[in-house]
Amino acid sequence: AQSVTQLGSHVSVSEGALVLLRCNYSSSVPPYLFWYVQYPNQGLQLLLKYTTGATLVKGINGFEAEFKKSETSFHLTKPSAHMSDAAEYFCAVTPMEYGNKLVFGAGTILRVKS
Amino acid sequence: SQTIHQWPATLVQPVGSPLSLECTVEGTSNPNLYWYRQAAGRGLQLLFYSVGIGQISSEVPQNLSASRPQDRQFILSSKKLLLSDSGFYLCAWSAMGLARNEQFFGPGTRLTVL
Repeated sequence: AQSVTQLGSHVSVSEGALVLLRCNYSSSVPPYLFWYVQYPNQGLQLLLKYTTGATLVKGINGFEAEFKKSETSFHLTKPSAHMSDAAEYFCAVTPMEYGNKLVFGAGTILRVKS
Repeated sequence: SQTIHQWPATLVQPVGSPLSLECTVEGTSNPNLYWYRQAAGRGLQLLFYSVGIGQISSEVPQNLSASRPQDRQFILSSKKLLLSDSGFYLCAWSAMGLARNEQFFGPGTRLTVL
């Protein structure tokens, strides 16, 4: 079965510090990979996605992620955290055999301290 | 541009009462449609998805049902709500015919069953 693991249900960083949110997946074939952000009581917004090609993907709000096939990882980073980055972040995959379905990780809540 | 609407935004219902949540998409045709439930600390659970009018696939057995009476309308229903049906319900769409494409989420409905 396909699965997505997000290490750390809560991550806390200081404003201006590096943000690193971890995501590992299991898939028998190369998946498409996504990061979504959810602000309180709102829907999910797509941050970035990896399909094919360049393994370093840049998204909105200064976030980027790198697909590492050998490590089955797709970690999300941002060089300098802002208070507005405080939200819940979800990693998701859509393996080929799943068609249009997304498999989500459990989410990581990011807290940014002033 | 495409937009997705959900209503109501919040709902408080007694146990045993019926439920109807509505989702509509504008600006696209023949979308794939999805219903998710998000319970506190449990990530997103796919409940139903639809690839066309009248075509519904259920992901997990439960107290809920879904219908798609029109191309861009997706309804989530229950005849008798349970306490365990409380949660945040999200509707999403993706482009038809593009496998493994990203999904776009609505603003969600917060359901509290008392």
